[in-house]
Amino acid sequence: KNQVEQSPQSLIILEGKNCTLQCNYTVSPFSNLRWYKQDTGRGPVSLTIMTFSENTKSNGRYTATLDADTKQSSLHITASQLSDSASYICVVSALGSGTYKYIFGTGTRLKVLA
Amino acid sequence: GAVVSQHPSWVICKSGTSVKIECRSLDFQATTMFWYRQFPKQSLMLMATSNEGSKATYEQGVEKDKFLINHASLTLSTLTVTSAHPEDSSFYICSAREQLSSYEQYFGPGTRLTVT
Repeated sequence: KNQVEQSPQSLIILEGKNCTLQCNYTVSPFSNLRWYKQDTGRGPVSLTIMTFSENTKSNGRYTATLDADTKQSSLHITASQLSDSASYICVVSALGSGTYKYIFGTGTRLKVLA
Repeated sequence: GAVVSQHPSWVICKSGTSVKIECRSLDFQATTMFWYRQFPKQSLMLMATSNEGSKATYEQGVEKDKFLINHASLTLSTLTVTSAHPEDSSFYICSAREQLSSYEQYFGPGTRLTVT
């Protein structure tokens, strides 16, 4: 069964600190993995996307890693800011029958405190 | 970048009435549009997939007669919640994909539905 699990469910950190969010998946056939940021009451916004052959991808203070062997990904946030408070969703795409299916993780709710 | 809009951004309706939510791709033609529902503190749940000009494919457990989806053009899909009940109150998000073979989907900003 295709599944994406994220941890922790929620996280509180102080402004300026770093944090790492985890994503484990069992999706086949794997196509790519994307991290989204979703502010409360808004739609998800893409942060990074990685295919099978990519190990790491950065977008400003966000750095995603992918280990296709262990089927794990992480999203590292450096020098957190109050505006980083949001839900972070890991989405894995599977290619089948010529089209893509998206499997969503349950998300990690991050709260950054001043 | 590709932009997807939704209208309205929030709506309050009375129980038993119907409400229509629009999803538009503003600068590209969307072969496929997806409708999601999101309850508080939960992730997005796919409700249905619609391809332009054909009937929507609904996920298991989603009532197709209650959630009517129309994808009449390459830039517009609508979701109509019929005979709304308070338990239908949720955050509805659409996304659009340009081609069947593309993995890229672009999300709209969401619509908050409150049924009183």
